[in-house]
Amino acid sequence: AQSVAQPEDQVNVAEGNPLTVKCTYSVSGNPYLFWYVQYPNRGLQFLLKYITGDNLVKGSYGFEAEFNKSQTSFHLKKPSALVSDSALYFCAVPRSHASGGSYIPTFGRGTSLIVHP
Amino acid sequence: DSGVTQTPKHLITATGQRVTLRCSPRSGDLSVYWYQQSLDQGLQFLIQYYNGEERAKGNILERFSAQQFPDLHSELNLSSLELGDSALYFCASSVAPDRNNSPLHFGNGTRLTVT
Repeated sequence: AQSVAQPEDQVNVAEGNPLTVKCTYSVSGNPYLFWYVQYPNRGLQFLLKYITGDNLVKGSYGFEAEFNKSQTSFHLKKPSALVSDSALYFCAVPRSHASGGSYIPTFGRGTSLIVHP
Repeated sequence: DSGVTQTPKHLITATGQRVTLRCSPRSGDLSVYWYQQSLDQGLQFLIQYYNGEERAKGNILERFSAQQFPDLHSELNLSSLELGDSALYFCASSVAPDRNNSPLHFGNGTRLTVT
């Protein structure tokens, strides 16, 4: 079954430093992978997705993600963190549902990113 | 703004009661998803509708039910509420459920507190 794992519950980084939020996947075939961000008291917002092609995917707010097939990883990165990047980040993979032909996004447990001033 | 509207924002109710959560999807989206977010379970998929019909069912309790109306808005009904049902309930929408490369658009959720 398609799944993702986020090995870190929390990541701490100083403002201005590069940040990485990790995600590994277990997918049969070619994976479609997503990152979402959740700010306090808000719903999840789509950041970026990997479908095929370039292993480096650029997304919103200066974020990018690197797809690595040999390591089955899809880590989220940003060259210079901002305090306003502090939020909960979710990796996701669509999972085919047995009935109806739907693809249901399945989310990791989430990683809390804290950027210190 | 995602374009997905959820009401109410907060609900406080007692055990044994029944509540209804409402969702209006983003304009043009035909598919609606319901998720439950809690600290211990993370983000759990409950149920999905497409153009008025149920398409997929996840970890939804029998005490919970949902429907999607002809105008595409959806309601999630939670009955015989228990303390453990306290959580954040999200609605999300997408263009079509059979595209595995379409992102979801989430509402801001309804925070349910059962006392």
